[in-house]
Amino acid sequence: EAQVTQNPRYLITVTGKKLTVTCSQNMNHEYMSWYRQDPGLGLRQIYYSMNVEVTDKGDVPEGYKVSRKEKRNFPLILESPSPNQTSLYFCASQQGYNQPQHFGDGTRLSIL
Amino acid sequence: DAKTTQPNSMESNEEEPVHLPCNHSTISGTDYIHWYRQLPSQGPEYVIHGLTSNVNNRMASLAIAEDRKSSTLILHRATLRDAAVYYCILQTPYSGGGADGLTFGKGTHLIIQP
Repeated sequence: EAQVTQNPRYLITVTGKKLTVTCSQNMNHEYMSWYRQDPGLGLRQIYYSMNVEVTDKGDVPEGYKVSRKEKRNFPLILESPSPNQTSLYFCASQQGYNQPQHFGDGTRLSIL
Repeated sequence: DAKTTQPNSMESNEEEPVHLPCNHSTISGTDYIHWYRQLPSQGPEYVIHGLTSNVNNRMASLAIAEDRKSSTLILHRATLRDAAVYYCILQTPYSGGGADGLTFGKGTHLIIQP
């Protein structure tokens, strides 16, 4: 089954403790993205990647890092999480630009 | 970025057609119109997209105005499972300058009455 898998689905942690949210897709898609969703603000893109070793900033990249060492994986790294990064995060993949995006089920992060 | 305007909410009855409007008066000639929906507690789900011509797929139809300043997503026979937030989004051609993802607004909350 074609899917985008995020882990963990839920995480409560404390300020400053590094965390990684993993994202994996099994569709051999070139493009992958990370979004965060906040009430009243909709989904905003954090980072995206057009291919292995190619990443670029989205609308709200501050405080986040990503890497794309393999085509299928696109982890989101919070080196020193802060409470304003408490949010619902979605990973997405797509075959090419302007193609349909496939989203994961989301990761709800709470930073205390 | 070109923006879209959608009603905050709409209500329809089960098994009736639903027409979800979207205004995008500042659309450029190369912007694609995408529709996604988000069911409660799930990630967004692709519905349909188009450029100039009307489009049909198994989920819905997309009717694009001749001047492209508006479009309508048509659900031909709504079911309770279609209750979701529907987002109309414009995607510009890739510019390589970052922030080339989809910009989701607040969308339309579709309520389906049994």
